[in-house]
Amino acid sequence: EVQLVESGGGLVKPGGSLRLSCAASGLTFSVYSMNWVRQAPGKGLEWVSFISRSSTNIYYADSVKGRFTISRDDAKNSLYLQMNSLRAEDTAVYYCARGDRRTVTVFDYWGQGTLVTVSS
Amino acid sequence: SYVLTQPPSVSVAPGKTARITCGGNDIGSKSVHWYQQKPGQAPVLVIYYDSDRPSGIPERFSGSNSGNTATLTISRVEAGDEADYYCQVWDSNSGHWVFGGGTKLSVL
Repeated sequence: EVQLVESGGGLVKPGGSLRLSCAASGLTFSVYSMNWVRQAPGKGLEWVSFISRSSTNIYYADSVKGRFTISRDDAKNSLYLQMNSLRAEDTAVYYCARGDRRTVTVFDYWGQGTLVTVSS
Repeated sequence: SYVLTQPPSVSVAPGKTARITCGGNDIGSKSVHWYQQKPGQAPVLVIYYDSDRPSGIPERFSGSNSGNTATLTISRVEAGDEADYYCQVWDSNSGHWVFGGGTKLSVL
């Protein structure tokens, strides 16, 4: 059974930094692309970032580009999101989601999410 | 950037058919995926590549996509189908993944 477990969320002041982790199990992590998707309180889903297998291709939403960095450690079956220069509008539940093998455009498995709150 | 438009809410009586639309410019040329999200839970994939169903998703869930509108259809709606539903595509022009605003399905 595929399991994705996020951690690292919490309360941080504007301008601060936070590093999220996503531990994967039940899959051959290295062959899958991975994503971060977020959801602000009471709002819809917003794609944040994508990393391909082998970290060959990396993409970011315009709203986080230059502030967030996605990375992966296949030896540890883990995905990361380094978030710097955090703003109030970054407050959200952050989900890691696996990309499908066929085109990488489908989020076929999701973690339960970790809450990031940016507030003074 | 590419925009997907969903109705904020759809209401349906139990046992009836619910149709949730997702509008976008020439969306029929893209692959559309649908997610169900119940309160306090993570999203779950219910339809992918317009009309394919992941294992474990009831046959009551189906999808179609043509022209400027994709549609998620839920037949014989049950109380347990009450949730938010999101459509999603990959926009080749921007290289970004795009979600619709979501539709809250209420079962009367």
